Parts: sequence; structure tokens; C-alpha cells
Amino acid sequence: DGGITQSPKYLFRKEGQNVTLSCEQNLNHDAMYWYRQDPGQGLRLIYYSQIVNDFQKGDIAEGYSVSREKKESFPLTVTSAQKNPTAFYLCASSIPGILSEKLFFGSGTQLSVL
Amino acid sequence: DAKTTQPNSMESNEEEPVHLPCNHSTISGTDYIHWYRQLPSQGPEYVIHGLTSNVNNRMASLAIAEDRKSSTLILHRATLRDAAVYYCILGRTGNQFYFGTGTSLTVIP
Repeated sequence: DGGITQSPKYLFRKEGQNVTLSCEQNLNHDAMYWYRQDPGQGLRLIYYSQIVNDFQKGDIAEGYSVSREKKESFPLTVTSAQKNPTAFYLCASSIPGILSEKLFFGSGTQLSVL
Repeated sequence: DAKTTQPNSMESNEEEPVHLPCNHSTISGTDYIHWYRQLPSQGPEYVIHGLTSNVNNRMASLAIAEDRKSSTLILHRATLRDAAVYYCILGRTGNQFYFGTGTSLTVIP
């Protein structure tokens, strides 16, 4: 079955540490996204990529970095510069340029600070 | 600005219809209206989308106002499995989908 796989499901970060969240899709989608969700809040866009080797900052990119070396993969690194990283992180994909095309989401990674 | 406005919460009795409203007064001519729902600790899932005409699928119906500045998601018979947060968002050029805080739907048995 096609879909988006996020790993790990739970992740703990120590102070000053960088951590990387994995997102893999086999839907052959060109566009991929990272969202952050705080308790009781909506989703906020961190980064998005419409094609391999290209990505753009969303609303809250500070303290995060991404790469898009392969179409299937869009890892997110939460750097030590992100002072409040505890949140639920969601990865999504879609076909770009078609406004009627829907988003497919992974099951999320819960990141907590030790 | 691709923002939408929804009530924070709504309640419905089981097996009754539910109408979830959404305002999108700044919608542009090419923006699609999408609805997603999210269960606790899961990613959002697609419900329905439309451009101008009302839409129906097996999950729900979408009623779009004639001026497109508002829409309503209709669940014809609410079940306990429909309890979730429902997001109304606009699909816009550049693939930036903006999510608000959504409407938390409680279904009462």
C-alpha cells in the first residue's frame, strides 16, 4: 500500500542535541511538507519542498533544517537552536501545482525534551 | 492571506446530522476548499474538497456558498467515530496549505 512513513513515533532530545525525524513516501509525490502541532493547536508549516533539491521555509522555519536529496525522502532536523522543540511533528505529501490535489499525512512523531 | 475561521468546538448527538461551518472571506478564484479531520495522536485525513459546486462523497457533503466566502461540511449521520478535529483549509498556488485550529466535534451517544 502507498503511503507516508514517519519514524520514530516517539523521540527524546537532550539539551543542545540535534535530532532528525524521518519521513519517507512511496506515493511518487513531488511535494512534501513538515508541520508542527502544539497541544490543542492547529498545524503550522515549517518547511516544504516541491521538487528534489529544492525547498522553501514555511512560517516557523527557525531552528529547523531539511534536505531533499531523493524524491521519496524529506528528513527534518531539529537543531539545538530550536529552544522549544516539544511538539507533534507531521509530514505530508501531495502532487504539486494541482490545487485540487489532497494532502496525505504520516502518523506523526512526538518529540519531547529530556 | 489564506486563513479560514471555524468555531472552536461543536457537539452533536449520535445519528443526527452535523453542519460544520467555515468562513474564508479572502478566498481567491482559484482556491480549492479542502476539509480534513484529525483523531488524537494521528495525522489528519482527507474528508472532501470542492471549488464552486456542492460535493458529495461517502464520508460527507460539502456545501459552498454562492460567493464562495463560506462553506459547510455536512456529516449526514454522526457516529462516535466521527469525533475528531475538523479543519477547513484553502488549497492555493505554491502548495501552501494553511491549517487553523479547526473545530473539535464531540459526538454524544
